This record gives sequence, C-alpha cells and structure tokens, in this order.
Amino acid sequence: QLQLQESGPGLVKPSETLSLTCTVSGGSISSSSWYWGWIRQPPGKGLEWIGNIYYSGITYYNPSLRSRITISVDTSKNQFSLKLSSVTAADTAVYYCARQTDGSGTYSDYWGQGTLVTVSS
Amino acid sequence: SYELTQPPSVSVSPGQTASITCSGDRLGDKFACWYQQKPGQSPVLLIYQDTKRPSGIPERFSGSNSGNTATLTISGTQAMDEADYYCQAWDSSTVVFGGGTKLTVL
Repeated sequence: QLQLQESGPGLVKPSETLSLTCTVSGGSISSSSWYWGWIRQPPGKGLEWIGNIYYSGITYYNPSLRSRITISVDTSKNQFSLKLSSVTAADTAVYYCARQTDGSGTYSDYWGQGTLVTVSS
Repeated sequence: SYELTQPPSVSVSPGQTASITCSGDRLGDKFACWYQQKPGQSPVLLIYQDTKRPSGIPERFSGSNSGNTATLTISGTQAMDEADYYCQAWDSSTVVFGGGTKLTVL
C-alpha cells in the first residue's frame, strides 16, 4: 500500500522560506506515469494546487505561486520537496503531498495526512 | 486562469439523491474528478475521468460531465456522506480545484 508522509517545520517566520519534504513508501517515486504533487488548504478554506514533479525533474507550477515555488525530487531517498519563499500569513495552511497522474485526466489518488504550517513571528 | 464553480452548500435527506454541480467553461471537453473530505482528514478520490470509481468507493457515488457542468451524484445518501466535496480539472498544464461544496444530510 502506497503511503506518503509530509515532514517539516510547523512554524515559519514571515519573509522566510517554507520547506517541506514528502517521503513515499510502499512504492517507487521513479514509477512512470505518476507525478508527485503538493496541495494546500488554508484553515476553513478550499484546496489549492501548488505544483508537481516527475521523477525526471519535470515540474509544473501554479501560475499564481510560480515565482516563489521550487519543487525538487530525490529518487535515492524516494522523496520530493517543496520550497516556498517569502512567506506571509496567507501561506498558513495544511500542506498535503499526493500522487498525481499526468495530463488532461489528472487526479490525485494517494494523499499524505497533511501538515499544518503556520506563518507567524 | 481557468475557474471551477461549485455551490457552497447542498442539503439532502437521508436515503435521497444528492447532486453537486461543478461549472466551468467547456468543462465537458475536459476530464473532471471529485474528492470527498471529512473534517480533519485528507481528501479521498471519489470519481476520476468523469465517471470512473476507484476501488473501494461505493456504487452510490457516480459522476457525469457534459457541456459546462460536471455533476457528482450520491444515491441513497447516508449520514456518513456528510462532508465537503471538491471537483477538479486540468487546464493548460495546471490543476484547478472548485471552491468546494458542504453536503449536509438532515
């Protein structure tokens, strides 16, 4: 059974960089046809797609966040990571990692449990 | 940027059929999927590629997509179906979520 687990600081100061890692177990991150994505959800609000990455390093980002996002992959550790720079209180959210398909029929079938990141001084 | 619109809330009586809509420009030309999210939990994939159900999802959940509207239908709604529901599509290499619909079973 595939499992994803987010990890990283739960508190980040304004203007600093948020860094999270997603560890994949029960399957290889290098499997073809799957992308590995990040989605966030501010408290009490809806889901927002952040971006995703293929094991080869191909990335797609949400245009509204593109200037502040970097998603990377480490196949040797079966992990992928998110960096979001210059954070503000608006970036406070539960951050989920998920496995995503590619292309027009894309969907996320496995999700991590989510991790709450609060931006505050 | 592409937008998906859902009603904020839908109410249904137990045993009845609930329909949750998701509207977007020419959405029927794209694939839509649906997620269920209960409080404090991660979203769960209910429907993908308009009509397909992942293994383990009850048959009472079904989907359709035509024109500008995708619809999630829950037949014989149960109390346990009370949750938030999100539609999602893909446009211009970007994943787009609807704003979510809170389903109340009363």
